[in-house]
Amino acid sequence: DVKVTQSSRYLVKRTGEKVFLECVQDMDHENMFWYRQDPGLGLRLIYFSYDVKMKEKGDIPEGYSVSREKKERFSLILESASTNQTSMYLCASSFPRKSSTDTQYFGPGTRLTVL
Amino acid sequence: GQSLEQPSEVTAVEGAIVQINCTYQTSGFYGLSWYQQHDGGAPTFLSYNALDGLEETGRFSSFLSRSDSYGYLLLQELQMKDSASYFCAVRGGTGFQKLVFGTGTRLLVSP
Repeated sequence: DVKVTQSSRYLVKRTGEKVFLECVQDMDHENMFWYRQDPGLGLRLIYFSYDVKMKEKGDIPEGYSVSREKKERFSLILESASTNQTSMYLCASSFPRKSSTDTQYFGPGTRLTVL
Repeated sequence: GQSLEQPSEVTAVEGAIVQINCTYQTSGFYGLSWYQQHDGGAPTFLSYNALDGLEETGRFSSFLSRSDSYGYLLLQELQMKDSASYFCAVRGGTGFQKLVFGTGTRLLVSP
């Protein structure tokens, strides 16, 4: 069974703290993604990675960085958390296919609150 | 850039048919996907259209018209468990590997 796991369901941090969100997939997928989801704004792509040590900025990368040292693990880092980064963070993975659907499989999400 | 428009909310009764529309703007296009998300849950894949026409999967169907930059998700024989948010997403623009999601349509199914 396909599985994407995230390190925490709920997280509370203080402004200025460094925050690590971890995502692990067991499907040997090349692609991994980090989104944030806010009411009325849908899912917005922060960063994605198409291979180990490779990363590309998404639509809203400011204030975030990522790390992919192993194929199965993709980390999202908030260098200095701010209150406007309070959100639901979703990780996803997919196998890249150009000519057909590349279904993205999502983790359960981490609800981060920055005080 | 890329953008997608879909209605924010749709209501219907059990047993009815509902259509959720999605219009998109993108510089390149590979396909249109639909995802379902229940409250508190993760988005899950429903369907994908790369070519014009209708794709049917059980009670759900998805339609695409590339010339109109338009698609829809059709849900038949609605059940209470279909109450969820539905997102259209487009593959296109600068890379085929990324998806750009719409803001989602909340479907409320009442008895």
